[in-house]
Amino acid sequence: EAEVAQSPRYKITEKSQAVAFWCDPISGHATLYWYRQILGQGPELLVQFQDESVVDDSQLPKDRFSAERLKGVDSTLKIQPAELGDSAMYLCASSLSGELAFFGPGTRLTVL
Amino acid sequence: RKEVEQDPGPFNVPEGATVAFNCTYSNSASQSFFWYRQDCRKEPKLLMSVYSSGNEDGRFTAQLNRASQYISLLIRDSKLSDSATYLCAVTFYKLIFGSGTRLLVRP
Repeated sequence: EAEVAQSPRYKITEKSQAVAFWCDPISGHATLYWYRQILGQGPELLVQFQDESVVDDSQLPKDRFSAERLKGVDSTLKIQPAELGDSAMYLCASSLSGELAFFGPGTRLTVL
Repeated sequence: RKEVEQDPGPFNVPEGATVAFNCTYSNSASQSFFWYRQDCRKEPKLLMSVYSSGNEDGRFTAQLNRASQYISLLIRDSKLSDSATYLCAVTFYKLIFGSGTRLLVRP
């Protein structure tokens, strides 16, 4: 069964350091989402790609976060510099049609 | 007002009980609707899509009420393994989630 891959699964970093997360969507899925989920809350959309183009990044803190999907396949989300409040689960999801989405296992980030 | 709202619960029910969750959405032009299940510290997994005509999958029934802008999930004959957080999700050019409703099924 096709799955969304994410790495690393866990990341511990100190504040002010840079971190990067990687996502490989299900093959053929043109839509890719990055979400942030704080414990006890629902996933919050950070950025949505359609192929290599950003469709929505209205909730992405652009002063420190960046995302790219250069060839329209895998994607990287970067935080620089990391802050204590960035500790959360970062989830990647992909979709064939932009609606029904399948999630990867997530990257759990702890900022010390 | 949040785009998608859910009662956070927790709903604490005995095994065998029937439990229902509601989720309201603010954008009347929303296109598609889903329920996801999320176990503790795991990723959300699709439970079922929601259609205006209603749909059923075993013990789970989902309904959409476009006029009142809410979707519902009914779980019959609750099992211990149903304990999880249930997230509703709505699309309008992007997929937006509610904050989730936590269900605890006790023996």
